[in-house]
Amino acid sequence: NAGVTQTPKFHILKIGQSMTLQCTQDMNHNYMYWYRQDPGMGLKLIYYSVGAGITDKGEVPNGYNVSRSTTEDFPLRLELAAPSQTSVYFCASSKPGQGNQPQHFGDGTRLSIL
Amino acid sequence: DAKTTQPPSMDCAEGRAANLPCNHSTISGNEYVYWYRQIHSQGPQYIIHGLKNNETNEMASLIITEDRKSSTLILPHATLRDTAVYYCIVRVGGATNKLIFGTGTLLAVQP
Repeated sequence: NAGVTQTPKFHILKIGQSMTLQCTQDMNHNYMYWYRQDPGMGLKLIYYSVGAGITDKGEVPNGYNVSRSTTEDFPLRLELAAPSQTSVYFCASSKPGQGNQPQHFGDGTRLSIL
Repeated sequence: DAKTTQPPSMDCAEGRAANLPCNHSTISGNEYVYWYRQIHSQGPQYIIHGLKNNETNEMASLIITEDRKSSTLILPHATLRDTAVYYCIVRVGGATNKLIFGTGTLLAVQP
C-alpha cells in the first residue's frame, strides 16, 4: 500500500541550482497534482495533470516545470532555484470524476534554498 | 470555487465530540464540501465529503445545512491524535478535481 511516494524527503539547494522532485503513485490514478505549502499557510496548487502527456498550470506555476510521460510519475522541476521557493512540496493523485473523487497526498518534500 | 470561512483555532477535551464549523455562503449547487486534515506538516489526509446529504464514515460525520451555506465536521470521540489543522474546502464538480485550500482550523485536543 505505497500510495503516493515523494523523493527526496528533505533537500538543501543553492540559489541558481536546479533539481527535480520526484512523485510516483501506484493507484493507477489519472489525475496528479503538485502543491507547495509555506509556513502557516494552506496549500497552493502549482501544476496538475489529468493524464499522461497533459499538464496545466495552477495558481503559482512560475519558476516550475512539469512533465507527465507515464500514468505513475509526475516530476516537478525547479530551474534556477530562488529563496522564495523554499517550501514544503506535496504531490497528490486522484481518480477522474466530477468533483467527487478525493485526492491522496504524499508525505512531502521539504526544500530549503540558500 | 466558493470561499470558505473557518475559525482559526478550537479546543476540545479528549473523549468529547469535536464539532468544527465551516461557512460557505456562496456555494453553488454542484459544489462538493470536502474536509481534510494535516497533522504535524504531514501530507493532508482526506476525511469526508458530501454534496447535499449528511455523510458518515469511520472517521467522522459531515452535517450540511439544508441551504448548504454551512457545514459541521464532527469527530465523535476526539483523541490526542486528532490534534491537527482541519481544512474545509468546497470544490466545483468539474474535470480537474482541483482543491483550493484556506488556512483551516487548528484543533487542539486537550487531555
